[in-house]
Amino acid sequence: ETGVTQTPRHLVMGMTNKKSLKCEQHLGHNAMYWYKQSAKKPLELMFVYSLEERVENNSVPSRFSPECPNSSHLFLHLHTLQPEDSALYLCASSQLGDRVYEQYFGPGTRLTVT
Amino acid sequence: GQSLEQPSEVTAVEGAIVQINCTYQTSGFYGLSWYQQHDGGAPTFLSYNALDGLEETGRFSSFLSRSDSYGYLLLQELQMKDSASYFCAVRAHAGNMLTFGGGTRLMVKP
Repeated sequence: ETGVTQTPRHLVMGMTNKKSLKCEQHLGHNAMYWYKQSAKKPLELMFVYSLEERVENNSVPSRFSPECPNSSHLFLHLHTLQPEDSALYLCASSQLGDRVYEQYFGPGTRLTVT
Repeated sequence: GQSLEQPSEVTAVEGAIVQINCTYQTSGFYGLSWYQQHDGGAPTFLSYNALDGLEETGRFSSFLSRSDSYGYLLLQELQMKDSASYFCAVRAHAGNMLTFGGGTRLMVKP
C-alpha cells in the first residue's frame, strides 16, 4: 500500500449506530487530519493530530471522536449521527512545519446517515 | 476568522489558457496552496506560494500578491483531463492547519 488509504470507502448508517472510519498513511508523515467535504461547501478541517497532540475545530459536534494511536493511523469514531452529517470524510497527512501546506489526501469515505 | 473567495465555475476550451482567482481575508498569512480534485477523487497538491510572484510547474503556474491578499492559478494548454475542481487554501498561522476556499469547477470543452 502506498500513500494514504481509507476504509471503508462507503458507509451507510442509521442515527443510532456506532461506526468508525480508519485512515492509514504510508508516507512517514508526522501530522494527520480529518476533513469533511459537503456539497457546495468548502473543505472543513475537523481535527489535526501532530506529535500526539490534537487540535480541533470547535464547531465539530461531540458525536465525532478522533483517535490517533500512532503517527501512521487515524480513526474517526461516529455515534448518534444526524442526516446533515452525510458527507465525504477525507483523511490527509503531511510533514510538520513548513511542509504543512503540502497535504496528501486519501480517497475518502462517503458517509450516508439515514 | 478566515475566508477565501473563488469563482464557483469556469469554462474554457481545449488548448486555451485559464486563470482561477482566489482572494483571502485571514488573521495571518504564511502561504497559499492550490489543490486539484477530480470527481470522485481525492484532492491532490499542485503548488504553494509563500512569497510574492509567480511559481511555474509545467503547464500550471501560481501567483501571489500578499499586499492585495490575492492569488491565482494559471493553467496553460488546457487538456480535457484538466476538468476538475480547484481549491485554494491558506495557511493562516504557524500551526498545522489550512483553510480551504469553496473550490472552482473547471470544465474544459473540445
